[in-house]
Amino acid sequence: GAVVSQHPSWVICKSGTSVKIECRSLDFQATTMFWYRQFPKQSLMLMATSNEGSKATYEQGVEKDKFLINHASLTLSTLTVTSAHPEDSSFYICSASGLAGIPYNEQFFGPGTRLTVL
Amino acid sequence: DAKTTQPNSMESNEEEPVHLPCNHSTISGTDYIHWYRQLPSQGPEYVIHGLTSNVNNRMASLAIAEDRKSSTLILHRATLRDAAVYYCILRDSAGTALIFGKGTTLSVSS
Repeated sequence: GAVVSQHPSWVICKSGTSVKIECRSLDFQATTMFWYRQFPKQSLMLMATSNEGSKATYEQGVEKDKFLINHASLTLSTLTVTSAHPEDSSFYICSASGLAGIPYNEQFFGPGTRLTVL
Repeated sequence: DAKTTQPNSMESNEEEPVHLPCNHSTISGTDYIHWYRQLPSQGPEYVIHGLTSNVNNRMASLAIAEDRKSSTLILHRATLRDAAVYYCILRDSAGTALIFGKGTTLSVSS
């Protein structure tokens, strides 16, 4: 299957700082990328969907000014957590779907990024 | 998205078959049935998916009821590495985002 990477795998930051997480599709072109957040012992929660070259679509309750998503190329999407606070500490996971025009687009997931805000 | 219902947890012994059930009584005709699993501190991993017919791959088998209102993921010989949370998810053919429920936590004992 296709490979999706995330960087960094874990990050610790001070409250009030911003943190950028990168998501890359290594061997395919990702027309659509998704960002999820997962708190301990809970399921994945979809935060936003982004299409290459377009603005991201955020799920209800997710602050678009706090969680900035950029999908500037077919292989890279970034999530920036601005002015991070301890309640933003979570496991952030991205996934990517391939070429448009295929009736069924499988989602490939990255390994996740553990964010801890002190 | 149509919802699915799975048991919270299941237990198995190593090298025994495991049948993980999923109910999806409100499934629509264009919904695919997907199974993903997530090991601790990792991203979800694709297991299998199907529409109407039973499916087999190197990881598992998917048995789909004739009315499509339920399905069963079959691990033919469980290993310790199969201990994970298994998610049954419905997704339409348009390829929208996967929406995760609570899943089934599978424990495997040696």
